[in-house]
Amino acid sequence: AQTVTQSQPEMSVQEAETVTLSCTYDTSESNYYLFWYKQPPSRQMILVIRQEAYKQQNATENRFSVNFQKAAKSFSLKISDSQLGDTAMYFCAFMNGNAGNMLTFGGGTRLMVKP
Amino acid sequence: GAVVSQHPSWVICKSGTSVKIECRSLDFQATTMFWYRQFPKQSLMLMATSNEGSKATYEQGVEKDKFLINHASLTLSTLTVTSAHPEDSSFYICSAPPGLAGLEETQYFGPGTRLLVL
Repeated sequence: AQTVTQSQPEMSVQEAETVTLSCTYDTSESNYYLFWYKQPPSRQMILVIRQEAYKQQNATENRFSVNFQKAAKSFSLKISDSQLGDTAMYFCAFMNGNAGNMLTFGGGTRLMVKP
Repeated sequence: GAVVSQHPSWVICKSGTSVKIECRSLDFQATTMFWYRQFPKQSLMLMATSNEGSKATYEQGVEKDKFLINHASLTLSTLTVTSAHPEDSSFYICSAPPGLAGLEETQYFGPGTRLLVL
């Protein structure tokens, strides 16, 4: 079974600053995908970014980028130029590519962007 | 594209009654849908995998007779909470992978259904 750990229950950052959210996972699989989802107060889950394990290049999506360290099983999310609208719960998630697209979520990190 | 809807968005019911929650993929077909439960300030926990044309697969500890899942078509899955009790009060979320090119394994989520059992 896979496990996903987010060691930071809460974080805060000043508007326009950069923040990094941590995520580690444990798996023996070689074919897998990693995701960061955002859950704002509306509770709608929004895909932020995804990473294929077979790709060495770190994924980026505008202000969001990841640091994927496969050997260390680490998958951190960096948010640059933080905006008030980034305030939300952020969940790291793992998907075993050989097991039917099920997601295993970490416990989440509550991010507060302060003006 | 890749929009998933849920209905109702919130429901209040009396203890002992049954509640049906619908999950629809609006612009794609989904042979598989997933049902999650999220308690306040907690993460999402997978309850079951809904498979079109076959029985759902339930996670360990989830009562299949209590949480009935029916994947009636390629765009609709329903979750029925039977004989609901206050401890079933939670936020229920569905998701589906739309199979878009380059995003085949990505899941898109419905807006969730808040259930309160009195």
